[in-house]
Amino acid sequence: AQKVTQAQTEISVVEKEDVTLDCVYETRDTTYYLFWYKQPPSGELVFLIRRNSFDEQNEISGRYSWNFQKSTSSFNFTITASQVVDSAVYFCALIPDSSYKLIFGSGTRLLVRP
Amino acid sequence: DVKVTQSSRYLVKRTGEKVFLECVQDMDHENMFWYRQDPGLGLRLIYFSYDVKMKEKGDIPEGYSVSREKKERFSLILESASTNQTSMYLCASSARLGQPLSYEQYFGPGTRLTVT
Repeated sequence: AQKVTQAQTEISVVEKEDVTLDCVYETRDTTYYLFWYKQPPSGELVFLIRRNSFDEQNEISGRYSWNFQKSTSSFNFTITASQVVDSAVYFCALIPDSSYKLIFGSGTRLLVRP
Repeated sequence: DVKVTQSSRYLVKRTGEKVFLECVQDMDHENMFWYRQDPGLGLRLIYFSYDVKMKEKGDIPEGYSVSREKKERFSLILESASTNQTSMYLCASSARLGQPLSYEQYFGPGTRLTVT
């Protein structure tokens, strides 16, 4: 089965806290691509990152970091020193090899309170 | 700058009406997609198109059809709208496999459709 699970439906934190959004995926393919998208209240999905299955290096972009672990089939997303503008729904997604079909998780709603 | 636009942000239609949702991209992408988004269900693929006049069914095509007469435009058609088609509809595009950034899908702002 090809599947993405985001077990956290909703997370609420106070501004400046660190927060980690979990993502677990399933795929039969040895080559695949993982994504995170942000959906702010305006509704548009914003692409954040793509990670290839053959590249397990973690990535940091400003306050955002991503931890990819093939051994546990996880691709977790951490926001350091969260801000109110980080409030959004975050989706993890998967594309198996030779496909352009994005398989989305159900999303995690993050609320950052001032 | 990457741009996907959708014809309406909000739309209200009556049951039984024929509804057209339009999507235009200016990135010269081969692939275009229509999703619907419902609370608790995430995004589900309705149809996608990998070239002009070419289309494939996604996971939930029933009750929908699509049209792609030009590369930059992809239309979603609800032949006879029903209340269970009330949803947020999102269009996306991506480059052909093998091209740079071919796996990233870029999304439009969405159309919130209400069928009464």
